[in-house]
Amino acid sequence: QLQLQESGPGLVKPSETLSLTCTVSGGSISSSSYYWGWIRQSPGKGLEWIGTIYSSGSTYYNPSLKSRVTVSVDTSKNQFSLKLSSVTAADTAVYYCARTTVVTRYYFDYWGQGTLVSVSS
Amino acid sequence: EIVLTQSPATLSLSPGERATLSCRASQSISSYLAWYQQKPGQAPRLLIYDASNRATGIPARFSGSGSGTDFTLTISSLEPEDFAVYYCQQRSNWPPTFGPGTKVDIK
Repeated sequence: QLQLQESGPGLVKPSETLSLTCTVSGGSISSSSYYWGWIRQSPGKGLEWIGTIYSSGSTYYNPSLKSRVTVSVDTSKNQFSLKLSSVTAADTAVYYCARTTVVTRYYFDYWGQGTLVSVSS
Repeated sequence: EIVLTQSPATLSLSPGERATLSCRASQSISSYLAWYQQKPGQAPRLLIYDASNRATGIPARFSGSGSGTDFTLTISSLEPEDFAVYYCQQRSNWPPTFGPGTKVDIK
């Protein structure tokens, strides 16, 4: 059974960089059949797609966040990561990692449990 | 960016009743729409993709319909575990976007 697990600090200071890692178990992140993505959920903005990466390293970002987002993959560890720079209180949200297929790209069929990240000094 | 509008915001029904949820897109998205269910403290769960295809393991009481700008999620007979928030999501236009959700609660 595929499982995704987010990890990282739950508290980040304003103007700093938010860093999260998603560890995938029960399947290979190198599979040519899947993309891996980050989605966040906040009371103010609801669900928001952040970005997606393929095992080759190709990345796709939400234009509203593109200048601040980096998604990377580490196939040796079966992990992918999110970095969001220059954070503000508006970036406080539950962050999810998720999987999508190359056929139904951007429909997310497996999700991590989510991790709450608060931005506060 | 495509804006998705969901109605009603809250739907109060009893177990066994039929639930009809609506999602409207700000412009045509063909059939590139998904529905998710989210329970408190859990991640969203994919129910329907491409407007009418049930995801793996989803019970037959969940069905989706529509194309263009108007879509419907129907739960034929509500089970106790179906009381949750439901979101629609489009992947037709860049970037993918989600609707604000419809809460189905117990009457």
